[in-house]
Amino acid sequence: EAQVTQNPRYLITVTGKKLTVTCSQNMNHEYMSWYRQDPGLGLRQIYYSMNVEVTDKGDVPEGYKVSRKEKRNFPLILESPSPNQTSLYFCASSFGGRAVYEQYFGPGTRLTVT
Amino acid sequence: GDSVTQMEGPVTLSEEAFLTINCTYTATGYPSLFWYVQYPGEGLQLLLKATKADDKGSNKGFEATYRKETTSFHLEKGSVQVSDSAVYFCALSTLAGNQFYFGTGTSLTVIP
Repeated sequence: EAQVTQNPRYLITVTGKKLTVTCSQNMNHEYMSWYRQDPGLGLRQIYYSMNVEVTDKGDVPEGYKVSRKEKRNFPLILESPSPNQTSLYFCASSFGGRAVYEQYFGPGTRLTVT
Repeated sequence: GDSVTQMEGPVTLSEEAFLTINCTYTATGYPSLFWYVQYPGEGLQLLLKATKADDKGSNKGFEATYRKETTSFHLEKGSVQVSDSAVYFCALSTLAGNQFYFGTGTSLTVIP
């Protein structure tokens, strides 16, 4: 089954404790992206990757890091989480190296930073 | 910069009513435009898209037309069902096809 998986689905952590949210897709998609969803703000793009070893900042990259060492994986790293990073996070992937095609979304990771 | 503005919600309609959710955009050149839908507790799914001016995207009875002159991509459905209750997001992909911008979402509730 074609899918995007994210782990963990729920995470409660404390300020400053480094964490990684994993994202994996099994569709051989070139394009992958991370978004955060906050009430009243919709989804905002954090980082995206157009292919292996090619990543770039989206609209709200501060406080986040990503890497794309393999085509299928695109982890999101919070080196020193802060309460304002409490949010619902979605990973997505798309055929081709651009976002003009349909994006397939993961189920989301709800992160709470206390 | 590029952005999407969509109608504030929430919207509550009776079954079989006509639905319009307004969406306008600001972008350099001619972006691709999308409507995504999010059902409770789930990720987003593509509902429809249009990649050039005057294109009409359609799916599951929903339609939207890419209007360059009014920079709009309004979502319409002639007769909504209870199962259409969800949050609807208008979005654009930049001309270069790398960045993606979503509107704030419009929550729709359809009552029997």
